[in-house]
Amino acid sequence: DAGVIQSPRHEVTEMGQEVTLRCKPISGHDYLFWYRQTMMRGLELLIYFNNNVPIDDSGMPEDRFSAKMPNASFSTLKIQPSEPRDSAVYFCASSYSHEQYFGPGTRLTVT
Amino acid sequence: GQQLNQSPQSMFIQEGEDVSMNCTSSSIFNTWLWYKQDPGEGPVLLIALYKAGELTSNGRLTAQFGITRKDSFLNISASIPSDVGIYFCAGQTSGSRLTFGEGTQLTVNP
Repeated sequence: DAGVIQSPRHEVTEMGQEVTLRCKPISGHDYLFWYRQTMMRGLELLIYFNNNVPIDDSGMPEDRFSAKMPNASFSTLKIQPSEPRDSAVYFCASSYSHEQYFGPGTRLTVT
Repeated sequence: GQQLNQSPQSMFIQEGEDVSMNCTSSSIFNTWLWYKQDPGEGPVLLIALYKAGELTSNGRLTAQFGITRKDSFLNISASIPSDVGIYFCAGQTSGSRLTFGEGTQLTVNP
């Protein structure tokens, strides 16, 4: 298996622009997680899905953030409009039990 | 909410030395996981622990699930330069949500 796939690996955008991050979980996994990592706050859980249904979105910073999982093999995290404080590395992870497997991350820079 | 205290925050050791790091919590966890993160990459799962008192090894890595279920440690024996990275502990109660420690930055001098 190729593992969790994320795209793009790097994204540089200007403040106010819409950003869409993409994730393909490991086949057969029924949980999908979106995390954000910064030096100041470490790894933060933003939202997670079970069988394509959002279970807990309490970590989503504000209404500018939204996430979807239209099917078992694809999820998106969208930021609209983006702000400089959104600059971070965003990770997607998937699991079918207790063990979560992470993708390589998307490094987002908002100028 | 739940918090994990991971220590030490950073370690500088010589190649060949053994390393120990740990995580403690005021809350009980049902599962403990240990991850390693290399620069520019996502965390990689090293060891998973499911029972209080469990001791599990993966090559030169050994981890234990504390009897109280509020702590866990990770040992690395005979460190090598490629052990460099950030090590995270993570605890899980019910459901799938993980609580992560702040990480231990390990530097190994050849």
